[in-house]
Amino acid sequence: GQNIDQPTEMTATEGAIVQINCTYQTSGFNGLFWYQQHAGEAPTFLSYNVLDGLEEKGRFSSFLSRSKGYSYLLLKELQMKDSASYLCAVSFNDYKLSFGAGTTVTVRA
Amino acid sequence: NAGVTQTPKFRILKIGQSMTLQCAQDMNHNYMYWYRQDPGMGLKLIYYSVGAGITDKGEVPNGYNVSRSTTEDFPLRLELAAPSQTSVYFCASLDSSSTDTQYFGPGTRLTVL
Repeated sequence: GQNIDQPTEMTATEGAIVQINCTYQTSGFNGLFWYQQHAGEAPTFLSYNVLDGLEEKGRFSSFLSRSKGYSYLLLKELQMKDSASYLCAVSFNDYKLSFGAGTTVTVRA
Repeated sequence: NAGVTQTPKFRILKIGQSMTLQCAQDMNHNYMYWYRQDPGMGLKLIYYSVGAGITDKGEVPNGYNVSRSTTEDFPLRLELAAPSQTSVYFCASLDSSSTDTQYFGPGTRLTVL
């Protein structure tokens, strides 16, 4: 089975930086995804890490350490529209995804 | 391209009723998936398909059935609805030849009373 852990909630101020950690134990690991989900909407793709290291995409960066079973999503220059749930998901056999419970990020003015 | 579409958007069922949740994609993706998401939880895989005519169980398949007669469509069937099936259901697809990324439909919010 897959076991994925991430914090339940985080709060930060507009313009600040927030780091969401994700740890996992899995078999048949292909890579690790981060999705953003606004309330009442579908998840939308943010990033995908296959190899160890940091991937940067504008204000969002994602890091993976396969040997430690660890990833983080870094959100910089936070905006009010970044208030959402962030889902860590491990890709394994047949490109299936196993999701963590999600981290709700609240951005305050 | 419309992407991944799901119907209906909302549905209320009585215990014991049956229904089919529709999912279609126009991107010629070979892989398709059904997930459910309970409040405050991550998504859990119900069933998936790696191509027309091929389906397999995910993590929580009990109470559901699927079929994949065409590349485009992947309906999810609930035969005897139970309150435990109250959830939001998401369909997703991917093209395994070009990406590992799943793209999600807008979801169906189902309530069983």
